[in-house]
Amino acid sequence: QVQLVQSGGEVKKPGASVKVSCKASGYTFTSYSISWVRQAPGQGLEWMGWISVYNGNTNYIQKFQGRVTMTTDTSTNIVYMALGNLRSDDTAVYYCVRGNRGQLGPFDHWGQGTLITVSS
Amino acid sequence: EIMMTNSPATLSVSPGERATLSCRASQNVNSNLAWYQQKPGQAPRLLIYGASTRATGIPDRFSGSGSGTEFTLTISSLHSEDFALYYCQQYNNWPNAFGQGTKLEIK
Repeated sequence: QVQLVQSGGEVKKPGASVKVSCKASGYTFTSYSISWVRQAPGQGLEWMGWISVYNGNTNYIQKFQGRVTMTTDTSTNIVYMALGNLRSDDTAVYYCVRGNRGQLGPFDHWGQGTLITVSS
Repeated sequence: EIMMTNSPATLSVSPGERATLSCRASQNVNSNLAWYQQKPGQAPRLLIYGASTRATGIPDRFSGSGSGTEFTLTISSLHSEDFALYYCQQYNNWPNAFGQGTKLEIK
């Protein structure tokens, strides 16, 4: 069965960086794209950007450009999302999600989520 | 960018009754509209895509309708496990956009 298993939660100080991993299994890794969606405590869902697992192309929404980097390792079926210059309002659960239409949804499988807490 | 609006923010319905949730897009998204269900402490789950196609394993009491800018998710007879948060998402235009959600609570 399709699974997306993410790394564990982390606590970071403002200004630090974090790197979250997402290991995929149960399907042909390069046939689907991966996006990242975040959810601040008690808030809605925010799509951050996308990576083509096939060729490594990325696209991020303007809000995160310059701060986020999404990469993929096809030898291990892992996608990474790195977010730098963390601020308190980056505190959120970060989800990796599988899409089959390139940069656009729908997203048929979700990781379990990784809580990133930014606090001094 | 397209803005998505779920309404109402909270909907109170009794078990066994019908629930109707709405979603509006600020621009035409054709039928490129998905619905997700999220329970506390869990990741969202895809319910409906293409405005009306149920995802794998989704019970047929869930149905979606609409196109363009107005969409509806209907749960025909509420089970206890259906009380949750529901989000719509458009994927017609970049970037993907989610509504702020409707909380479906027990009346």
